[in-house]
Amino acid sequence: DIQMTQSPPSLSASVGDSVTITCRAAQDIDNFLNWYQQTPGKAPKCLVFSGSTLENGVPSRFSGRGSGTDFTLTISSLQPEDFATYYCQQSFSIPYTFGQGTTLDIK
Amino acid sequence: QVHLVESGGGVVQPGTSRRLSCAVSGFTFRNYGMNWVRQGPGQGLEWVAGISHNGSVVGYAASVKGRFIISRDNSNNALYLQMTSLKSEDTAVYFCARDRMVAARHWFDPWGQGTLVTVSS
Repeated sequence: DIQMTQSPPSLSASVGDSVTITCRAAQDIDNFLNWYQQTPGKAPKCLVFSGSTLENGVPSRFSGRGSGTDFTLTISSLQPEDFATYYCQQSFSIPYTFGQGTTLDIK
Repeated sequence: QVHLVESGGGVVQPGTSRRLSCAVSGFTFRNYGMNWVRQGPGQGLEWVAGISHNGSVVGYAASVKGRFIISRDNSNNALYLQMTSLKSEDTAVYFCARDRMVAARHWFDPWGQGTLVTVSS
């Protein structure tokens, strides 16, 4: 199984700030990397697939970068609805493993 | 509008079985692979199983292999997860999710709202 490691586990920020979440794969996964957002009690929602492609309807303040083993999700100009938990996921090989999540809360 | 609705959750005793269902609408079900993902209480996401569009290819997480079976009924737009020999560590919200793919890159979108399975005596 490919282990995915996210950092930091939690993050505090204010509306208007820019934040970056990091995800590291235990082996080269090319750009087989997705990012999901989950708010409490809700289903996850895909924000970014294939490392850097925004899913339809996702605001442009979200951006994904990276290839190989190191990936980032950056949210610029945080909005109130962005405070949530974010997960990375590799789809390079089954099982499609997730990172442990990064919880973004309001400072 | 694409819609996925899970059902079948509840409280079950260890060692017993349960079948989850996912009813889908708003898209051509037979054209898409599907997945089950679970989330334990206060925990992260764990991919459980996946199935190809026609059911010919399936895959499982090691934690459920040999105990869970994923299947689908393309005539009735339904996805299933048959769970047997349930353990306390199977307690989780179970989500179904549509598999999207471009150039062999898979991602899950959308997801259902989930159904809670609690394994407890």
